[in-house]
Amino acid sequence: AQTVTQSQPEMSVQEAETVTLSCTYDTSESDYYLFWYKQPPSRQMILVIRQEAYKQQNATENRFSVNFQKAAKSFSLKISDSQLGDAAMYFCAYRSADSNYQLIWGAGTKLIIKP
Amino acid sequence: ETGVTQTPRHLVMGMTNKKSLKCEQHLGHNAMYWYKQSAKKPLELMFVYSLEERVENNSVPSRFSPECPNSSHLFLHLHTLQPEDSALYLCASSQDYHQPQHFGDGTRLSIL
Repeated sequence: AQTVTQSQPEMSVQEAETVTLSCTYDTSESDYYLFWYKQPPSRQMILVIRQEAYKQQNATENRFSVNFQKAAKSFSLKISDSQLGDAAMYFCAYRSADSNYQLIWGAGTKLIIKP
Repeated sequence: ETGVTQTPRHLVMGMTNKKSLKCEQHLGHNAMYWYKQSAKKPLELMFVYSLEERVENNSVPSRFSPECPNSSHLFLHLHTLQPEDSALYLCASSQDYHQPQHFGDGTRLSIL
């Protein structure tokens, strides 16, 4: 069975600095999708970025980028120029290309932004 | 306005009460989901509906009963809940299984 591990329960970063959140996963499959979701205090889970495993190029969305290391089964999220609005819980999730709707979630990392 | 709306935002109920959680999506999606989110634990998928038909029930206790009357609405009927059922219940929708899921703000449920 697939598993997703986020080893950092909490991280803090100074405003305008860069922070990296780690995520590792375990799977025997070769085709899958990986996601980072953000959950601010408002509680709505918001998709930050998505990566297809068959794509070697790392996904980027403005200040958010990933470092996808398929062989190492690592999928870290880098947030550049951190802003106060980035403070939230961040969740890493995995979905097999075959199992359609089933998302496997990590336990989350709480990101604190220091002004 | 969020594309997925959940009501109520907070709910406190006794173990013998019966209540319902409501979810409505305004995105024209075909799939809807119920998740349970407990502190410091990964999200747990409870139910999945596709085109109003239930396609997944992840061994959820029968005290939770879902209902999907149409593709825009999803309910979670609650009865005889236990204290360990206290959690944030999130609803999500997606165009189809291959598209990202969009979430509501959740209902914070507390069982006395």
